[in-house]
Amino acid sequence: AQSVSQHNHHVILSEAASLELGCNYSYGGTVNLFWYVQYPGQHLQLLLKYFSGDPLVKGIKGFEAEFIKSKFSFNLRKPSVQWSDTAEYFCAVVNRDDKIIFGKGTRLHILP
Amino acid sequence: DGGITQSPKYLFRKEGQNVTLSCEQNLNHDAMYWYRQDPGQGLRLIYYSQIVNDFQKGDIAEGYSVSREKKESFPLTVTSAQKNPTAFYLCASSPSGIYDTQYFGPGTRLTVL
Repeated sequence: AQSVSQHNHHVILSEAASLELGCNYSYGGTVNLFWYVQYPGQHLQLLLKYFSGDPLVKGIKGFEAEFIKSKFSFNLRKPSVQWSDTAEYFCAVVNRDDKIIFGKGTRLHILP
Repeated sequence: DGGITQSPKYLFRKEGQNVTLSCEQNLNHDAMYWYRQDPGQGLRLIYYSQIVNDFQKGDIAEGYSVSREKKESFPLTVTSAQKNPTAFYLCASSPSGIYDTQYFGPGTRLTVL
């Protein structure tokens, strides 16, 4: 079965630390890739997405992600996190069979 | 304000009763979706609809039903056949289809007693 794996379920960092959240998927064909974020008390919202072209995509609030096709990965990065980045982060993959699969999420807690 | 509304925020039902969750959008989006979110499980797709009067089953459709009679509305019925209905339910919409960015509602937490 196709799957999306987010390896880190819970991450705790101090402010100004660098962040990388892993996302790997199992589908071998063309995919669309998303990172969504849910801040405390807010709706789930798009952070960034990749459809085609430059594999390094930039999103809101200084986040970026790199699509590495050979590794089936779409890791999320931020060079210096802030307390306001505390949230739950979800990776999602849409394949050409019209199937969307979300990862189980990573809870990020930033210490002030 | 454009957006997605789900009501109610909290819902309690007795076991064996069907219950319908409301989802309305005023974004003029063609596609709408229902997800179930359980702790540590991420989001799992229940049903989605890319156009009025048409919908497709997602990964966990058993025990659920939907209708899409109007573009702006996509109600979800949790039937008594759903074995474990207590969960957080999220509705979303996207401009044209499943490849688009999805916009999510605030969710409804259903508790079956």
